[in-house]
Amino acid sequence: AQSVSQHNHHVILSEAASLELGCNYSYGGTVNLFWYVQYPGQHLQLLLKYFSGDPLVKGIKGFEAEFIKSKFSFNLRKPSVQWSDTAEYFCAVTRFSGGYNKLIFGAGTRLAVHP
Amino acid sequence: SQTIHQWPATLVQPVGSPLSLECTVEGTSNPNLYWYRQAAGRGLQLLFYSVGIGQISSEVPQNLSASRPQDRQFILSSKKLLLSDSGFYLCAWSGLAGNTDTQYFGPGTRLTVL
Repeated sequence: AQSVSQHNHHVILSEAASLELGCNYSYGGTVNLFWYVQYPGQHLQLLLKYFSGDPLVKGIKGFEAEFIKSKFSFNLRKPSVQWSDTAEYFCAVTRFSGGYNKLIFGAGTRLAVHP
Repeated sequence: SQTIHQWPATLVQPVGSPLSLECTVEGTSNPNLYWYRQAAGRGLQLLFYSVGIGQISSEVPQNLSASRPQDRQFILSSKKLLLSDSGFYLCAWSGLAGNTDTQYFGPGTRLTVL
């Protein structure tokens, strides 16, 4: 079955540290890839997405992710985190089937950034 | 622009009582609609999706059902709640863009069954 693995459930960083959150998926066909973020008390928001083209995708708030097809990975990065990046981050993969995109989520990574 | 609403925001219900959660979308026509449940440490699990009025597909067998009485309205229901139905329920919508579809989420309903 298709699955998405996020390697770290909890990450604690100091401000200005670099961030990399791992995401691997198991599906071997054509996939679309997403990172969503959920700030405390807010909606689940789209951070960035990859459909095709340049495997390095830039999203909002200085985040980027790199799709490495050979590694089935879509890791999220930010060179310098801020306290306001404290949130839960979800990687997701879609597979188009039956007329809609079935979205499979990872378990999420809780990021805490300390001033 | 499109917006998605869910209500209520929070709900506390006794075991065995009925449930009705509502989701509405504004600013788009004929969206795909989805219900998810978010459990701590387990990400989001798709419960139901709908590609049109009256068209509901279920992803997992459970104590819940869904209906789509209008184009932009999606309802999650139960006749008798179980303790295990507690959780955070999210509604999402997407446009009919084929395999480049993106799902957008509502604010969610936190349900506690006592």
